Amino acid sequence: DAKTTQPPSMDCAEGRAANLPCNHSTISGNEYVYWYRQIHSQGPQYIIHGLKNNETNEMASLIITEDRKSSTLILPHATLRDTAVYYCIVRVGGLGSGYALNFGKGTSLLVTP
Amino acid sequence: EAQVTQNPRYLITVTGKKLTVTCSQNMNHEYMSWYRQDPGLGLRQIYYSMNVEVTDKGDVPEGYKVSRKEKRNFPLILESPSPNQTSLYFCASSFDRSRANYGYTFGSGTRLTVV
Repeated sequence: DAKTTQPPSMDCAEGRAANLPCNHSTISGNEYVYWYRQIHSQGPQYIIHGLKNNETNEMASLIITEDRKSSTLILPHATLRDTAVYYCIVRVGGLGSGYALNFGKGTSLLVTP
Repeated sequence: EAQVTQNPRYLITVTGKKLTVTCSQNMNHEYMSWYRQDPGLGLRQIYYSMNVEVTDKGDVPEGYKVSRKEKRNFPLILESPSPNQTSLYFCASSFDRSRANYGYTFGSGTRLTVV
């Protein structure tokens, strides 16, 4: 699986959009970008994933650059409950080789009042 | 509600006393997995199961056993727990590869302390 690079921490004001970047310059053509988050010591929560097109669901939007070497997770109106560690994971779609998710260190997002 | 249920949420035990952490999912998922999370080491996979009676080792299987006798259940067994197995444990499940690109659903976690 391709390696990802995320900033260790970010702040965001409540009600504003939170834009979390992820670099994955070695991504392969058959690898997807997945985002999960973990709210303090709870189980990780799947947010969204994409291959090359931008994606949106009820939780977030995922913007993938045309060369697919980076992506941005957007939480359009951050709330205090969005404070969590956000993980960007690049891997083959579905269960893929080895099946394990490589969570890395993620970005710790703090949403402030 | 679709979910992965782990029990217990918290457990303190003594070295060498066998224990089982249960995991059950109600989504008819084929794939189930166990992770442990430790400070500075992140989440690491212990064991996984592709379907009933099919299990395989993850990255850190030493000291653990699993079984998959039913599709919904995937217990984690520590036959002789040691202090280095003190950790936060998560069970996860997903559809199999035929329904590619589904996210994993995780349980709420089991915090185990071995003294």
